[in-house]
Amino acid sequence: AQSVTQLDSQVPVFEEAPVELRCNYSSSVSVYLFWYVQYPNQGLQLLLKYLSGSTLVKGINGFEAEFNKSQTSFHLRKPSVHISDTAEYFCAVKGDSSYKLIFGSGTRLLVRP
Amino acid sequence: GAGVSQSPSNKVTEKGKDVELRCDPISGHTALYWYRQSLGQGLEFLIYFQGNSAPDKSGLPSDRFSAERTGGSVSTLTIQRTQQEDSAVYLCASNAGGIAGNTIYFGEGSWLTVV
Repeated sequence: AQSVTQLDSQVPVFEEAPVELRCNYSSSVSVYLFWYVQYPNQGLQLLLKYLSGSTLVKGINGFEAEFNKSQTSFHLRKPSVHISDTAEYFCAVKGDSSYKLIFGSGTRLLVRP
Repeated sequence: GAGVSQSPSNKVTEKGKDVELRCDPISGHTALYWYRQSLGQGLEFLIYFQGNSAPDKSGLPSDRFSAERTGGSVSTLTIQRTQQEDSAVYLCASNAGGIAGNTIYFGEGSWLTVV
């Protein structure tokens, strides 16, 4: 079975500052990792994903994440945030032979002017 | 269609009434999922379909909840005798299966309020 931990429930940051949203997972098998974003009153949008290959993955809106197998982490980063990045961010894991996506509890990114 | 489509987008119902939520997955996607997101809560898995079969219903919270899928496409989630604790966003998702199918695409959700 897999699980995901997002330690930060809320991350406040000033506009144009860098941000890192932390995600750690546990699994006894190989996994695929995802970050989804949920803007206020909207559904989930795929931000980026790691399936295989390069451990640094780039997504939409200038976000990137790095898969670190030894630390079982998949932290999300952006070098300079905008007000429009204010949203809830969910990290998710899926076992390589599993059909089910397991989500973390989410991190609310609050970008202030 | 181009994306996962859900209807209604918003539903307000009286306690005790039945509701049906509809999901139209991405064309060709064989796998379909329902998740629930309650206020201030994370995303809770409800049920998984592969084709018209539901090999995993383990997340359905009670026997008031049921779901079906027909023609390997559209799915309906039915909640009978709604309760206030059923108020949540119900998210449908689909994927194509196989390595490419490891990405699951979500709809905009059906926002259910039970009053």
